[in-house]
Amino acid sequence: GAVVSQHPSRVICKSGTSVKIECRSLDFQATTMFWYRQFPKQSLMLMATSNEGSKATYEQGVEKDKFLINHASLTLSTLTVTSAHPEDSSFYICSAPPTSGAFGGTQYFGPGTRLLVL
Amino acid sequence: GQQLNQSPQSMFIQEGEDVSMNCTSSSIFNTWLWYKQEPGEGPVLLIALYKAGELTSNGRLTAQFGITRKDSFLNISASIPSDVGIYFCAGHQGGKLIFGQGTELSVKP
Repeated sequence: GAVVSQHPSRVICKSGTSVKIECRSLDFQATTMFWYRQFPKQSLMLMATSNEGSKATYEQGVEKDKFLINHASLTLSTLTVTSAHPEDSSFYICSAPPTSGAFGGTQYFGPGTRLLVL
Repeated sequence: GQQLNQSPQSMFIQEGEDVSMNCTSSSIFNTWLWYKQEPGEGPVLLIALYKAGELTSNGRLTAQFGITRKDSFLNISASIPSDVGIYFCAGHQGGKLIFGQGTELSVKP
């Protein structure tokens, strides 16, 4: 159980275009999902918390107008990188804690999406 | 942002050896989690610790939640080549996970 999927697994786009990444919880519902960014040889850095039915909460330094988050249902959150530039190239990973039960902060991660902006 | 202090940064060991890595923080955490990440993949949960002093095993992996709630260690016994990867600790605080810098493990057959 506790499987999280992401689509696409990798995407290459031209500078200035927008890219949408989907995150789905396959066998559980998640009122909250998290979006992380990871640069090579570095740790995961939280970008934002996606909340079903309300606005996302962004970490300090993350531009909310550039990284649009929509939590459309209890199993789907999307991250749209708008007007992408080469410096946005990174590994984007989502995670979700199971809604039910005292999960104690446990999060299950998707397989990640590799974004390359040319 | 805040990070946990994870050490060592990297380890090169021989197959069959035991491995130990740890994380420390100046803050108290309610939950400690240990993940393994392989190249091009998302982190996979290895062990979750919910109580101070808790010692939990998962096969050859053993992890403990420090009594002070500010530290945790992960041990891997009798390492095998497929143990290769980056191991991350994470502490749960304020509804979010805070990650260590990772320990890159290399195992020589």
